[in-house]
Amino acid sequence: RKEVEQDPGPFNVPEGATVAFNCTYSNSASQSFFWYRQDCRKEPKLLMSVYSSGNEDGRFTAQLNRASQYISLLIRDSKLSDSATYLCAPSNDYKLSFGAGTTVTVRA
Amino acid sequence: DAGITQSPRHKVTETGTPVTLRCHQTENHRYMYWYRQDPGHGLRLIHYSYGVKDTDKGEVSDGYSVSRSKTEDFLLTLESATSSQTSVYFCAISESGTSGGLPHTQYFGPGTRLTVL
Repeated sequence: RKEVEQDPGPFNVPEGATVAFNCTYSNSASQSFFWYRQDCRKEPKLLMSVYSSGNEDGRFTAQLNRASQYISLLIRDSKLSDSATYLCAPSNDYKLSFGAGTTVTVRA
Repeated sequence: DAGITQSPRHKVTETGTPVTLRCHQTENHRYMYWYRQDPGHGLRLIHYSYGVKDTDKGEVSDGYSVSRSKTEDFLLTLESATSSQTSVYFCAISESGTSGGLPHTQYFGPGTRLTVL
């Protein structure tokens, strides 16, 4: 079993829609969690970090379920610019373990 | 954006040749990391450094070595490149940890696209 698993998608949604996807992790000792977005052939960029049960930043909401060992990301009112691959990264001892990413495509 | 540069940005080399990739930061961050990214695998940690001359292996360290003689520079060397090392290589940096032990956000460089023929 991979340490971090994500639904690869793609999630193809219209502008204005809400899209949500999960990330499951196997290391119960993971303390903090990060969501990065990655545009094609570019470096990952931090979207948000989660240290407790969840975090919200504008249209983006992350929810952490430690009992079931998953973290979700919800995007409301999707924009064309939200089209990207979203990487989940639980941390432990200053190292991150990355999932392979979930691809989201927002269409006009 | 965090001050991280990588060089070269693109490189094509032949099997068996040595290759060195450089990561340079201007943030004075303690931790530096090298990852490779391949389709279907996501980012995989090769080596990381927690200070000058302090390095450790990641999950895919075979065939790679690193050095950190200054805070700002972290070098990744492929002693004898193989086709399986064709990949995109990302460097990342993060701040030192706090007494609470919470990890800090990693910031990534622009990447180096390496092709080994």
